[in-house]
Amino acid sequence: GQNIDQPTEMTATEGAIVQINCTYQTSGFNGLFWYQQHAGEAPTFLSYNVLDGLEEKGRFSSFLSRSKGYSYLLLKELQMKDSASYLCAVLSSNTGKLIFGQGTTLQVKP
Amino acid sequence: DAGITQSPRYKITETGRQVTLMCHQTWSHSYMFWYRQDLGHGLRLIYYSAAADITDKGEVPDGYVVSRSKTENFPLTLESATRSQTSVYFCASLAGGSYNEQFFGPGTRLTVL
Repeated sequence: GQNIDQPTEMTATEGAIVQINCTYQTSGFNGLFWYQQHAGEAPTFLSYNVLDGLEEKGRFSSFLSRSKGYSYLLLKELQMKDSASYLCAVLSSNTGKLIFGQGTTLQVKP
Repeated sequence: DAGITQSPRYKITETGRQVTLMCHQTWSHSYMFWYRQDLGHGLRLIYYSAAADITDKGEVPDGYVVSRSKTENFPLTLESATRSQTSVYFCASLAGGSYNEQFFGPGTRLTVL
């Protein structure tokens, strides 16, 4: 089966950098996704990693280590609008299932 | 317009009634998914489909039925709604060849009285 773990809540200061971790176990790995979800809205796609290493996209970067079953999302120059839930999801190559972790609620303070 | 749409956006029904939630995507993505989101549980996979006429159970399939006769449509039916099925339902699609595009519909808020 698949199991995904993320911290439940995090707090950071405007302008700072925050790292949100995700560890996973899966039967067959076919990529890891990160999403942002504001309260009352649908999740929006942030990044996709299938190979080891760092993918940078503006203020957001995502890292993957397949051997460790580990990923993180790095948010730089935090803004108040970054207060949201961040969801990690893993796609299984064996089953085709895309399973989500519980999500990390990030609060950005002035 | 291109995208993924869900209907209805809001629905109130009674216990025991049949309800169908619609999902339509215009990208011809191979994969489609149905999730429910409840406080304290995050997004849980109900059913998914790898292509037309291919569907499979997710984490919480009981009480739900899906079909996929056309690539662009993936309706979810609650055969006999129960109060525990009160939730926000999200449909999502994923490109088959390159998995780095995955989009969610706006969601359907369902209340079962």
